[in-house]
Amino acid sequence: KAGVTQTPRYLIKTRGQQVTLSCSPISGHRSVSWYQQTPGQGLQFLFEYFSETQRNKGNFPGRFSGRQFSNSRSEMNVSTLELGDSALYLCASSLDPPGQETQYFGPGTRLLVL
Amino acid sequence: GDSVTQMEGPVTLSEEAFLTINCTYTATGYPSLFWYVQYPGEGLQLLLKATKADDKGSNKGFEATYRKETTSFHLEKGSVQVSDSAVYFCALINTGTASKLTFGTGTRLQVTL
Repeated sequence: KAGVTQTPRYLIKTRGQQVTLSCSPISGHRSVSWYQQTPGQGLQFLFEYFSETQRNKGNFPGRFSGRQFSNSRSEMNVSTLELGDSALYLCASSLDPPGQETQYFGPGTRLLVL
Repeated sequence: GDSVTQMEGPVTLSEEAFLTINCTYTATGYPSLFWYVQYPGEGLQLLLKATKADDKGSNKGFEATYRKETTSFHLEKGSVQVSDSAVYFCALINTGTASKLTFGTGTRLQVTL
């Protein structure tokens, strides 16, 4: 079974631009979560979607948004990019809303904001 | 809120040495506990998990036991290999915040010949 895929793998943007990242979960998984990884802040939870609904949200500004489609694929969008948004963005999927279920991670999208 | 504390790295060991990476947690309720591993340039891979007290997770020679009395989930391996060099993250997921994994800061392991 194919794992979680994320596109693109690398991205360079400039301040003020916006960016959209894509995540395809493992087949059959309906929950998708997003995390930001930076050297300074570590791994931080952004949000989670289940059945096209946002079920949980971390402490990020409104510039960070996401959505989930009927096939469980998810996108996250960051508007008005700032230098501090440079990070590895990781997507994870799980079979059900992740309570006890394990989250499986994709390889990440590395975003550099110049 | 929930939190995970890991020992500071980097940890440098010779091949075949014994590994312990300490992890303690603070959480209400009954969290599930995980160890994830991240190799250079890659995402996170699940290494092992435990969902209730006294459970032992194990995989690829790594083990960790869920100790509720000491709120700990220390990672151990009897004999490390150069290929184990990576960053290891301890994490928890709480039924109260069902979809949110809370991670420790990560511990970098470097294994030398």
